Amino acid sequence: NAGVTQTPKFRILKIGQSMTLQCTQDMNHNYMYWYRQDPGMGLKLIYYSVGAGITDKGEVPNGYNVSRSTTEDFPLRLELAAPSQTSVYFCASSSPTANYGYTFGSGTRLTVV
Amino acid sequence: KNEVEQSPQNLTAQEGEFITINCSYSVGISALHWLQQHPGGGIVSLFMLSSGKKKHGRLIATINIQEKHSSLHITASHPRDSAVYICAVWSGNQFYFGTGTSLTVIP
Repeated sequence: NAGVTQTPKFRILKIGQSMTLQCTQDMNHNYMYWYRQDPGMGLKLIYYSVGAGITDKGEVPNGYNVSRSTTEDFPLRLELAAPSQTSVYFCASSSPTANYGYTFGSGTRLTVV
Repeated sequence: KNEVEQSPQNLTAQEGEFITINCSYSVGISALHWLQQHPGGGIVSLFMLSSGKKKHGRLIATINIQEKHSSLHITASHPRDSAVYICAVWSGNQFYFGTGTSLTVIP
């Protein structure tokens, strides 16, 4: 099925651990994004990419890193996890010419304890 | 102050009612999006607008660029429309999101 695939769906990390959230899309979209959504809050942009090899910081990039070596993949790396990073993470992709906006992954629920 | 404000925050309607959700923004934009987030958490893009009006089934979205305002209308609402509706604007190189409108449609 076409779309944005995120893995894992759930993860519990201990403080100080690291992990990578995977995101891949098969729609040949140039633009990809990582958001976090805290309980009762809106989506906040962590990082985004307008094409392979190009990444930029969003509103809340501290504590995260990204890479975009291919059009399809946009992994998000958490180094030294902190309780403040407990959140639901969404990956999304879009094409500038898409008529109906952009496509979200199903989300990763991360808890840091 | 948020760049994107939505109203109302919460909305309860009877099945069949006409529903309007409003979005105002304070930045210059190149596009506005309406998103739907169901209780399970998945997010679906409903519309992308840069001017005028779009219709998709029972959903209608309008935008007034001069007034920096958009509305999402749902005609003949149904319990399956119960979700959080999020307004997002593309400005500069990023999206700004409203905090969402939680809609509950009662049978």
